Amino acid sequence: QLQLQESGPGLVRPSETLSLTCAVSGGSISSSSYFWDWIRQPPGKGLEWIGTIYYSGNTYYNPSLKSRVTVSVDTSKNQFSLRLTSVTAADTAVYYCARRAGVPAAIDYWGQGTLVTVSS
Amino acid sequence: QSVLTQPPSVSAAPGQKVTISCSGSSSNIRKNYVSWYQHLPGTAPKLLIYENNKRPSGIPDRFSGSKSGTSATLGITGLQTGDEADYYCGAWDSSLSAVVFGGGTKLTVV
Repeated sequence: QLQLQESGPGLVRPSETLSLTCAVSGGSISSSSYFWDWIRQPPGKGLEWIGTIYYSGNTYYNPSLKSRVTVSVDTSKNQFSLRLTSVTAADTAVYYCARRAGVPAAIDYWGQGTLVTVSS
Repeated sequence: QSVLTQPPSVSAAPGQKVTISCSGSSSNIRKNYVSWYQHLPGTAPKLLIYENNKRPSGIPDRFSGSKSGTSATLGITGLQTGDEADYYCGAWDSSLSAVVFGGGTKLTVV
């Protein structure tokens, strides 16, 4: 059974960089069939897709966040990561990592999510 | 403002049927598969429908999906109080090269 687990600081100061890692177990992140996503949900709001990475390093990003987002993969550790720069209070959200079976495919596995609060 | 449009809320009585609509455009719903997710507070979203109308293993046939043109619909029959949740549609947008979601629909079973 595939499992994804987010980790990282729960509190980030405004203007600093948010960094999260998603550890994948029960399957290989190097599988050619899958993309690995980051999604977030601000308090009281809906889901917002942040970006995705293929094991080869190819990425796609939400155009509204593209200038601040980097998603990277570490196949040796079977994990992928999110960096979001210059954060503000609007970036406070539950952040989920997830797996998608191809570019136009559905998200079939999700992590439990981790709350990141941006505050001084 | 979400790229896909859903009603903010729907409600129905236990045992009844409800439908949730999802409206998009030619660059997302018309061109690509639609998926639906159930999200209970404090939990990870769960995939209910993929490729417009297919159910993953373990999802009861009370849940169904359909697509026509630039719109999609999630149907839930035999409503149970445990179905109370937020429901989201999602699709790949070929113009944005991004996954887009609807704003979510809160289902109340009363």
